[in-house]
Amino acid sequence: QSVVTQPPSASGTPGQRVTMSCSGSSSNIGTKYVYWYQRLPGTAPKLLIYRNNQRPSGVPDRFSGSKSGTSASLAISGLRSEDEADYYCAAWDDNLSGVVFGGGTKLTVL
Amino acid sequence: VQLVESGGGVVQPGRSLRLSCAASGFGFNNYGFHWVRQAPGKGLEWVAVVWHDGSNKHYADSVKGRFAISRDNSKATLYLQMNSLRPEDTALYYCARLFGNFPGMDVWGQGTTVTVSS
Repeated sequence: QSVVTQPPSASGTPGQRVTMSCSGSSSNIGTKYVYWYQRLPGTAPKLLIYRNNQRPSGVPDRFSGSKSGTSASLAISGLRSEDEADYYCAAWDDNLSGVVFGGGTKLTVL
Repeated sequence: VQLVESGGGVVQPGRSLRLSCAASGFGFNNYGFHWVRQAPGKGLEWVAVVWHDGSNKHYADSVKGRFAISRDNSKATLYLQMNSLRPEDTALYYCARLFGNFPGMDVWGQGTTVTVSS
């Protein structure tokens, strides 16, 4: 059981806006930056959001991140079939002195 | 900009294995690196991180005392020495370049598979 929790699944239809949550505690999300990763089937993870809400160059602005207290969210607007992937949040944890990943959310585009 | 892992394979429980991660296309010396793994049917699990100069290292509790991360800046190569391997260490192992704060990983290798089985 990860110290950072994500819902195991989410779904949406093309064009829709979907959000997925990431819940932690004061030792991680509450006081540290949150990062988001996208893992398309059969590929290595890709950095999607850094420092809570920043997008690396090349990541479409359809993807956005936010944080409030000990929770964070990833939103995808204008959903596309190619967005079907696993999404992971991550943060540093002061108690563990290490990086913690959420369990991941599998996004299905219906 | 590329990271290429190697060294994976099938190994018996209790034995050792060393993974390598060769970097190219950027200044290896200027970056820290992570090892991250994914067991079959499971999510991503962070394993270890090393500073750009090797001065500081952190490990997941699940591997602490058994795994050691190191680097050879002269060879632009990152290593993960894995000792006392257990079946639960079976996973696809990725190396990733540190970006920004500690959870940041902006360049990933393709991964190398480690299977621990008798």
